[in-house]
Amino acid sequence: DGGITQSPKYLFRKEGQNVTLSCEQNLNHDAMYWYRQDPGQGLRLIYYSQIVNDFQKGDIAEGYSVSREKKESFPLTVTSAQKNPTAFYLCATQERGGTDTQYFGPGTRLTVL
Amino acid sequence: AQSVTQLDSQVPVFEEAPVELRCNYSSSVSVYLFWYVQYPNQGLQLLLKYLSGSTLVKGINGFEAEFNKSQTSFHLRKPSVHISDTAEYFCAVSGAGGGNKLTFGTGTQLKVEL
Repeated sequence: DGGITQSPKYLFRKEGQNVTLSCEQNLNHDAMYWYRQDPGQGLRLIYYSQIVNDFQKGDIAEGYSVSREKKESFPLTVTSAQKNPTAFYLCATQERGGTDTQYFGPGTRLTVL
Repeated sequence: AQSVTQLDSQVPVFEEAPVELRCNYSSSVSVYLFWYVQYPNQGLQLLLKYLSGSTLVKGINGFEAEFNKSQTSFHLRKPSVHISDTAEYFCAVSGAGGGNKLTFGTGTQLKVEL
């Protein structure tokens, strides 16, 4: 919210298809994060990027890929290798070297048909 | 590395009653602590955070939390809840100093009933 947009809000995918989730921010924050949320499991970190053209795997990176070509954008691709992609995906930003406060987008709900 | 435990997955409470949502953390270094709220099908919104100084932290919507270093806890409280407080609440921790990732708890679903 407040300068972080995620699109689309709802996304449906057929098995075997790759899909890309968009995350854009105008907060001028250096760091960006992707989380996956499943009921009862909290937030699990997929990938994060602390600076343009650099990113690191989180706890559950298998089956996902990212890029960080611009400071404002951090798209997430859910590949066909992700066996159970149905979930709520959240993007967040964080000021580098600040207080570690993260700011979240509104989320994208992905459903595999 | 840090970890967070939210002891209650669900907390039912009647409207206008007080509530406490529990959070315990584990860390070998100084920490920053956060509480976030999530309404259905929305992103997370920051309620409050502890960085340093006073151990009693006040946040938005009448919530407050107390940092207790000896008990490694950061419980969230509200003296009188409203129906609109029904949501999921997440506690999170990071290593103090800036530039660190957050580690989130599994969340507590607060359900306020009439």
